[in-house]
Amino acid sequence: QSALTQPASVSGSPGQSITISCTGTSSDVWNYNLVSWYQQHPGKAPKLMIYEDYKRPSGVSNRFSGSKSGNTASLTISGLQAEDEADYYCCSYTRSSVLFGGGTKLTVL
Amino acid sequence: QVQLLESGGGLVKPGGSLRLSCAASGFTFSDYYMSWIRQAPGKGLEWVSYMSSSGVTIYYADSVKGRFTISRDNAKSLLYLQMSSLRAEDTALYYCARGYNFAYNWGQGTLVTVSS
Repeated sequence: QSALTQPASVSGSPGQSITISCTGTSSDVWNYNLVSWYQQHPGKAPKLMIYEDYKRPSGVSNRFSGSKSGNTASLTISGLQAEDEADYYCCSYTRSSVLFGGGTKLTVL
Repeated sequence: QVQLLESGGGLVKPGGSLRLSCAASGFTFSDYYMSWIRQAPGKGLEWVSYMSSSGVTIYYADSVKGRFTISRDNAKSLLYLQMSSLRAEDTALYYCARGYNFAYNWGQGTLVTVSS
């Protein structure tokens, strides 16, 4: 199966909101409520930000939210902060594979 | 708190073998699916393999099927990845992670370099 599709980069100013999209197919994103999102700062391990489409792990800021419509999942970050600058990856579990998106670099201007 | 500590990475020639280990602590290891996820230098993430708590359910990415073997020792809270017939494209930072449909916790990774 092919990787999920994410924009290569997005940017926003402090205080603004941004949305990162993650497009899959009816075989993955649409068919399972199992999209997760990860934040990765340079030289660090990824960190789980959203799981099961919209759930936030304990300790993750409520500025991060997940949603899904059809074959596309989205990660929205509100009230952008400098520390949000990082790479973000979406992921979808299916019975036959676990797929990542190619990653999106978020720049806080 | 949850800790995952990978080891065993290094430089290996194409066609060679290597075994990675992941020592887990801070949670009941035998209750959880565990995974290996890798990241080639400057590239994105790839889910390599996962194993159920009992070891019965196993997944491999097509890119490693038939060459890599995942295993675990629940008594010692250890996860393993036996890698054979290694190729240059297997060069990556290999992360151990808790979970299989999402990775709740990650280790810091161990670097595998396949080069002659």
